[in-house]
Amino acid sequence: EVQLVESGGDLVQPGASLRLSCAASGFTFSTYWMSWVRQAPGKGLEWVAGINPDGSEKYYVDSVKGRFTISRDNAKESLYLQINNLRVEDTAIYYCARQWVYWGQGTLVTVSS
Amino acid sequence: QTVVTQEPSLTVSPGGTVTLTCASSAGAVTNDYYPNWFQQKPGQVPRALIYGATNRHSWTPARFSGTFLRDKAALTLSGAQPEDEADYYCLLFKGGISVFGGGTRLTVL
Repeated sequence: EVQLVESGGDLVQPGASLRLSCAASGFTFSTYWMSWVRQAPGKGLEWVAGINPDGSEKYYVDSVKGRFTISRDNAKESLYLQINNLRVEDTAIYYCARQWVYWGQGTLVTVSS
Repeated sequence: QTVVTQEPSLTVSPGGTVTLTCASSAGAVTNDYYPNWFQQKPGQVPRALIYGATNRHSWTPARFSGTFLRDKAALTLSGAQPEDEADYYCLLFKGGISVFGGGTRLTVL
């Protein structure tokens, strides 16, 4: 059974940093593209970042370039999202997804002073 | 970056048929964009319905079908059920970049 379990979400102040993690199981992690998708409260889905199977290609939505870094550790079957200089508008549920079939339950990031 | 446009809301009668569309500001939507469709109900994680424009997942009811309609990707629901009331999102993926549409809120009424 494919499982994706996110962690690392928290309530933080503007300017803080967070590292989100996604633990994968039930499939050969090293052979799939992975992405992070976020959903602000009451809003639609927004793709944030994607990474190819070996981690050599990384892509981002324009609005997060320079602040977000996606990475993966295939030996640990884990996906990561480093978020720096958090803004109020980054408040959202962050989902890890195995493109584009399986999704985790999400982890909530709240940015507020 | 590309903007993907969907109808903000649609209403369908129980047992009726409705078509949702997905347009790209970059031009015609083709198989190169590998269109995907997702269903999301309140408080739930998005669920994949269609991939590669026309392919259903094993769990996708047969009443959902994907196609191309003129220059857009389209999702048709034939024989709507009350449980189909949800938000529907299309996604276009090309060259490592993915873009979601703004979503269509489908009401079955």
